[in-house]
Amino acid sequence: GAVVSQHPSWVICKSGTSVKIECRSLDFQATTMFWYRQFPKQSLMLMATSNEGSKATYEQGVEKDKFLINHASLTLSTLTVTSAHPEDSSFYICSARDLENEQFFGPGTRLTVL
Amino acid sequence: DAKTTQPPSMDCAEGRAANLPCNHSTISGNEYVYWYRQIHSQGPQYIIHGLKNNETNEMASLIITEDRKSSTLILPHATLRDTAVYYCIVRVAPGNQGGKLIFGQGTELSVKP
Repeated sequence: GAVVSQHPSWVICKSGTSVKIECRSLDFQATTMFWYRQFPKQSLMLMATSNEGSKATYEQGVEKDKFLINHASLTLSTLTVTSAHPEDSSFYICSARDLENEQFFGPGTRLTVL
Repeated sequence: DAKTTQPPSMDCAEGRAANLPCNHSTISGNEYVYWYRQIHSQGPQYIIHGLKNNETNEMASLIITEDRKSSTLILPHATLRDTAVYYCIVRVAPGNQGGKLIFGQGTELSVKP
């Protein structure tokens, strides 16, 4: 089956620093990738949709300058949380859409900002 | 995309069938019903999807009512490893680039020994 990986699986950083999270489709090409955020005891919230080679589309209320998304190739998308603060601590999950338009999810990245 | 309604939580005895309901009364003709589950601290896992016919795979069965306004996910012999949050999502058909997976609150299924 289609596999999506994320790196790192967890990260702890100081307030004010930037953190980059990678999302890779390992055995298929993904023209579209999605980034979700999940707070404890809550559901997944879609943050943005990224298409290879073009600017990401952000959901309402998500700051595009805070959460930088780059989808430079058909197998890699990155999410950079800039100037992270404790309220950005969350579980970040990516998913990738294959050529048959099915979506597969990564294992998630746990971000803790001190 | 149409909205779904699920009970917040359910219990099931190990070895018994788990029947998880979902209401999607505003579903459109071109929208599929998808089920995913999320085990604690992991990414969501695809289970099954369907349009109007009942579907079965190695994980589960999906029963969709004739009017398509509700569906039931059936795990025929629940195990402790099936404890997870189950999400019912409606989205436009595969092949349509516009379909996004929007998650509701889901049902937290607890399988008990």
